[in-house]
Amino acid sequence: AQSVTQLDSQVPVFEEAPVELRCNYSSSVSVYLFWYVQYPNQGLQLLLKYLSGSTLVKGINGFEAEFNKSQTSFHLRKPSVHISDTAEYFCAVSESHSSASKIIFGSGTRLSIRP
Amino acid sequence: EAQVTQNPRYLITVTGKKLTVTCSQNMNHEYMSWYRQDPGLGLRQIYYSMNVEVTDKGDVPEGYKVSRKEKRNFPLILESPSPNQTSLYFCASSLGEGQVGPLEAFFGQGTRLTVV
Repeated sequence: AQSVTQLDSQVPVFEEAPVELRCNYSSSVSVYLFWYVQYPNQGLQLLLKYLSGSTLVKGINGFEAEFNKSQTSFHLRKPSVHISDTAEYFCAVSESHSSASKIIFGSGTRLSIRP
Repeated sequence: EAQVTQNPRYLITVTGKKLTVTCSQNMNHEYMSWYRQDPGLGLRQIYYSMNVEVTDKGDVPEGYKVSRKEKRNFPLILESPSPNQTSLYFCASSLGEGQVGPLEAFFGQGTRLTVV
């Protein structure tokens, strides 16, 4: 069975500093991987996704993630964060044979940006 | 505009009083699902539907019902709400098997339910 682990429940960083949010997954088959962002009082929106091909994926708002199959990781990074990046971030996995129809979410990482 | 619409956004109710949270999508998605979000637990799937009249239990189905009479609508029903169902609920839709398009889930804005 597939599962997703987000190792950090909260990550505080200073504005303009780099950040990495960690995500590890387990699955016995090939997967699709996603990062979603949830701003306060809003629903989830897609930040980026990995389906196949290049292991470095670029998303919206300057975020990127790298798929590492040997380490079963899909860490999210941004070289310089802004106050507006304050949000909760969810890593998610879907086994590719199911057309991303059943998505398993991690427990979330709350990113707080300090001025 | 592609969207998933949930109503209501906020709801306070009393224990045992039946309620329905509606969800509608305009993307012709075959797959729809309901999640609840609780602090430290991420999103847990309650029920999902692969297509019209096809529904199945997710990870935390107890105390909930769903129906899928039309492709666009997927209401969540709490027949006898209890305080432990106080949570933030999200409806989501995505392509089904064989459908072509972006392979991610689209979410509604959420429904914050409080059961007293």
